[in-house]
Amino acid sequence: AQTVTQSQPEMSVQEAETVTLSCTYDTSENNYYLFWYKQPPSRQMILVIRQEAYKQQNATENRFSVNFQKAAKSFSLKISDSQLGDTAMYFCAFMKHRSPGANSKLTFGKGITLSVRP
Amino acid sequence: DVKVTQSSRYLVKRTGEKVFLECVQDMDHENMFWYRQDPGLGLRLIYFSYDVKMKEKGDIPEGYSVSREKKERFSLILESASTNQTSMYLCASSFWAGGRETQYFGPGTRLLVL
Repeated sequence: AQTVTQSQPEMSVQEAETVTLSCTYDTSENNYYLFWYKQPPSRQMILVIRQEAYKQQNATENRFSVNFQKAAKSFSLKISDSQLGDTAMYFCAFMKHRSPGANSKLTFGKGITLSVRP
Repeated sequence: DVKVTQSSRYLVKRTGEKVFLECVQDMDHENMFWYRQDPGLGLRLIYFSYDVKMKEKGDIPEGYSVSREKKERFSLILESASTNQTSMYLCASSFWAGGRETQYFGPGTRLLVL
C-alpha cells in the first residue's frame, strides 16, 4: 500500500515571497504519478501540478514548480511570487500507473494550510 | 471545462435517516469517486466506480453504499446516518487518457448529522 506524508500542518508566507511545501511518499511501485491539489476556502479542489515518475525533469506550471527526488521519495511544491489567491489547503497525492481498463485511485496526504500574508 | 456538480452544498440530517448525495459530471468520464474530508485526516476514499453499474470499495466503505445507473451520475447513500458521518463529502470524476489521468472535483457537500 502507498502512503503520502505531509508533516507540516500549516505554513505562512509573505506576499511576493517564495514558499516550499513538503511531501514524502512510500511505495514499491516504479511507475506512478504525483500530484499537488489546491483547495481554496471556497472548497473546489483543483489540480495545481502533476509529475510522472519516469520523467527526470521537474514539472513547472507558471509560478508553481516541483522538486521531485525519486530515490528519496520526496515531492515538494515551490510557489514563487506568492499571491493572496494562493491561500488554500494543499494536498499531495499519489497514483499508481495503470493500463486501460484497470483501476486506479489517488492516495492523499493530510494536507497543509497555506496562508499568504499581505 | 469539466464540470462536476453535487446536489447540495450543505445538508442537515437526523440520526437514522437515509441520506442521498448526488454527483453529476458532464464530460463522459468513466471513473467517479466519493471521498470524505475530515480535518487532520485529509481525503479518504469511500467508493469508486469505473463504469456504469460497477463499483469498488475504497478505504472506508463501512456505513455507505453507492449507485451508478447512468454514466454521468454517481450517488452516495448513507443507509442510516450516524453522527460520526458528519463530514465534508467530495465527488470526483476522471478518465484515462494515455496515462494522463486527472481527477476533477465537485464543490463538496458539508453534511451535519444531528
